[in-house]
Amino acid sequence: EVQLVESGGDLVQPGGSLRLSCAASGFSFSSYSMNWVRQAPGKGLEWVSYISSSSSTIYYADSVKGRFTISRDNAKNSLYLQMNSLRHEDTALYYCVREIVGATDYFDYWGQGTLVTVSS
Amino acid sequence: SYELTQPPSVSVSPGQTASITCSGDKLGDKYACWYQQKPGQSPVLVIYQDNKRPSGIPERFSGSNSGNTATLTISGTQPMDEADYYCQAWDSSHVVFGGGTKLTVL
Repeated sequence: EVQLVESGGDLVQPGGSLRLSCAASGFSFSSYSMNWVRQAPGKGLEWVSYISSSSSTIYYADSVKGRFTISRDNAKNSLYLQMNSLRHEDTALYYCVREIVGATDYFDYWGQGTLVTVSS
Repeated sequence: SYELTQPPSVSVSPGQTASITCSGDKLGDKYACWYQQKPGQSPVLVIYQDNKRPSGIPERFSGSNSGNTATLTISGTQPMDEADYYCQAWDSSHVVFGGGTKLTVL
């Protein structure tokens, strides 16, 4: 069974930093591209970042570029998101999401999310 | 930046057909997919590659994509289908989500 378990969410002050983790199990993690997607309270889905299976290709949403860094450790079956210079508008539930890459790309498995709250 | 536009809400009576649209510039030239999200739950993929259903998704869910509009159709809508629905596409190495549509079954 595919499982994606996020952790690391917390209450942090504006300007602070936080590192999110996602532990993957039930599939060959090193074979899949992964993403972070967030959802502010009561709002819609917002894509944050993408990383290819080998980490050779990385993309960021304009809203987080230069502040967030996505990475992965295939030996540990883990995905990470380093979040710096956090802003109030980064407050959201952050999902770890597996991506299917092929004729078309789509997200087939989502974790339960970890909550990041940016507030003084 | 690329945008996908969805109606904020759609209402349907049980057993009837619900259609949720997603509009974007030349969206038909891209592949669209759809996610269902029920309150307090993570999103679930219901349609990918415009019109394909993942394993376990009921046949009443279907999709189409042409011109500037992708459409999610739910035939014989059931009360359990009440949820938020999001369309999604890729544009220039960025993933784009629509704003979401709240489907009410009443």
